[in-house]
Formats: sequence, C-alpha cells, structure tokens
Amino acid sequence: KQEVTQIPAALSVPEGENLVLNCSFTDSAIYNLQWFRQDPGKGLTSLLLIQSSQREQTSGRLNASLDKSSGRSTLYIAASQPGDSATYLCAVVGNEKLTFGTGTRLTIIP
Amino acid sequence: DADVTQTPRNRITKTGKRIMLECSQTKGHDRMYWYRQDPGLGLRLIYYSFDVKDINKGEISDGYSVSRQAQAKFSLSLESAIPNQTALYFCATGLAGVETQYFGPGTRLLVL
Repeated sequence: KQEVTQIPAALSVPEGENLVLNCSFTDSAIYNLQWFRQDPGKGLTSLLLIQSSQREQTSGRLNASLDKSSGRSTLYIAASQPGDSATYLCAVVGNEKLTFGTGTRLTIIP
Repeated sequence: DADVTQTPRNRITKTGKRIMLECSQTKGHDRMYWYRQDPGLGLRLIYYSFDVKDINKGEISDGYSVSRQAQAKFSLSLESAIPNQTALYFCATGLAGVETQYFGPGTRLLVL
C-alpha cells in the first residue's frame, strides 16, 4: 500500500525567503506526482504535475522535483509572498487513483 | 460558474440520520471521485466512478454509498450518519488519459 508523508506539518517563514517543502512515498511504481494548494474553505488547486519519467517541473516561482528511486519530491518556492500562505499537498498517482500526503501548512510572515 | 460544484457546502446532522451530498460538474469529464479529509490524515478516497455504469470502492467505503445519476452528477450518501463521519468531503473529476483531477470546494459535515 502506497504511503505518502509530508514533513513538517507546519512551516512559518518570513516574506521573501526561499523555501522547500518535502514529500516522500513508499512505492516507487508511480505514474506521476502532483502538488496541490488548499486554501481555507476552498477546494484543491493543482500547482504542478511531474510525470514519472521527468525530474522536475517549473511554473513561475514554483519548482517541483521528483526522485523516484529515493521516493522523494520537493516543492521549491522562490521569493515567498504572504499570498503563498496555504496548505500544500502532494499526491502520487498509481492505478489511476491519487494517494495524498497529509500536507504542510505554510505561513508567510509579512 | 464553478466547474465542479458541491451541495450543500455545510451540513449539521444527527447520529442515525440519512444524508446525501451532491456533486455536479460542467467539465464533461467521465471520471468522478469522492474523498474525505480529516485533520492529520490527508484526503482518503471513498468511492470513484469511471463512467455512469462503473462504480468502485475506494480506501474507506464502509458506511457510504454512491449513485452516478448521469455523467455530470455523482452523489454520496451516508445511510446512517455517525459522529466519526464528521469531516470535509470533496468531489473531484478527471478525464481518462489525463492524470490530474479537479476538485470541488468541499462540503463540511458535522454529525452530532
């Protein structure tokens, strides 16, 4: 059974700093990995999707990497802003279903 | 208008009551999913449907049932609600061959 872990559960950083969120998974037989953002009272928004054959994906200030052999992914956020405050979830796709991590609640301090 | 809508957005009910959560989508996707989210446990899959005639149990289907009334509608029922079904419920849609899923805004359910 696939297990996805995100550490830390919560993170606070001053505005402007670069930061890294971590995701680890136990079964490397994944189809792809996605990072989502969740805002309070709202649904999930897909940020980046990395195919299993890829090493990384970039969108604006966000960069996600994937190392299947070690079962790890990171989400790098450059020049953080207060609007980046949210919960970030990673999910791995296998057998056409998503398995989610428990998320990291990020707070950017102005 | 939102592509994936859920009704109601908030619901308080009592133990033993039957309730239904509804999900509608205008994305034209064939696949629909129901998840629940609990603090510290992430999102867990309850049921999923790849088309109108296809219903599959997810990780935590006990105590729940679903109905795919049409391609655009997928409802989740709690036949006899219990307090540990208090959670945030999300509906999602997806398209065969496209890996990402699109989520509704969620329904916050409290069972007293």
